[in-house]
Amino acid sequence: NAGVTQTPKFRILKIGQSMTLQCTQDMNHNYMYWYRQDPGMGLKLIYYSVGAGITDKGEVPNGYNVSRSTTEDFPLRLELAAPSQTSVYFCASSYGIAGGNEQFFGPGTRLTVL
Amino acid sequence: GQNIDQPTEMTATEGAIVQINCTYQTSGFNGLFWYQQHAGEAPTFLSYNVLDGLEEKGRFSSFLSRSKGYSYLLLKELQMKDSASYLCAVRDGKSRAAGNKLTFGGGTRVLVKP
Repeated sequence: NAGVTQTPKFRILKIGQSMTLQCTQDMNHNYMYWYRQDPGMGLKLIYYSVGAGITDKGEVPNGYNVSRSTTEDFPLRLELAAPSQTSVYFCASSYGIAGGNEQFFGPGTRLTVL
Repeated sequence: GQNIDQPTEMTATEGAIVQINCTYQTSGFNGLFWYQQHAGEAPTFLSYNVLDGLEEKGRFSSFLSRSKGYSYLLLKELQMKDSASYLCAVRDGKSRAAGNKLTFGGGTRVLVKP
């Protein structure tokens, strides 16, 4: 199993440009998440999904959009990039909500907006 | 909402023991997780507590007191490779709609010196 994969690994955007961060998991997990991590800080939840076709906002959703058309894929869309969106973006997935169902993280996308 | 506090940085000597504290104030509680994150990498799962008491896993142990809103991660026989950030995270909901969401603290950077 590849686990959680993310593309691209690095990206530089100009202010106002758009892009989609890709996330795929091959573990048949129902739950998927997008986080951002600013330097020296913890993770902030942007959006999450409890299954295909169902998404909801997290703590910091402004400036982002998501979709979940399949169990495997959970892309994150930035429509009008701003310098405040410079961050490392992590996608994660988990199997269920009971017990110690931990979240598995992808390797991250490092985004710079200039 | 959730508020999670942990120290920003700690330094310890190889072979010693370090205890990383985490305090939380939450509207709900359904488990506490510890993750390890090496610089430039994704977080990886270390431990999970949902009942009061100590969970031991090799050189790492985690303790929880729900009445005090307090947890700690204990790292014994420190090795140089333990130099990393350690993230405390609380899961608040029990329902599917709650999505197994985690709220993360800011992380504690541990530096192990020879």
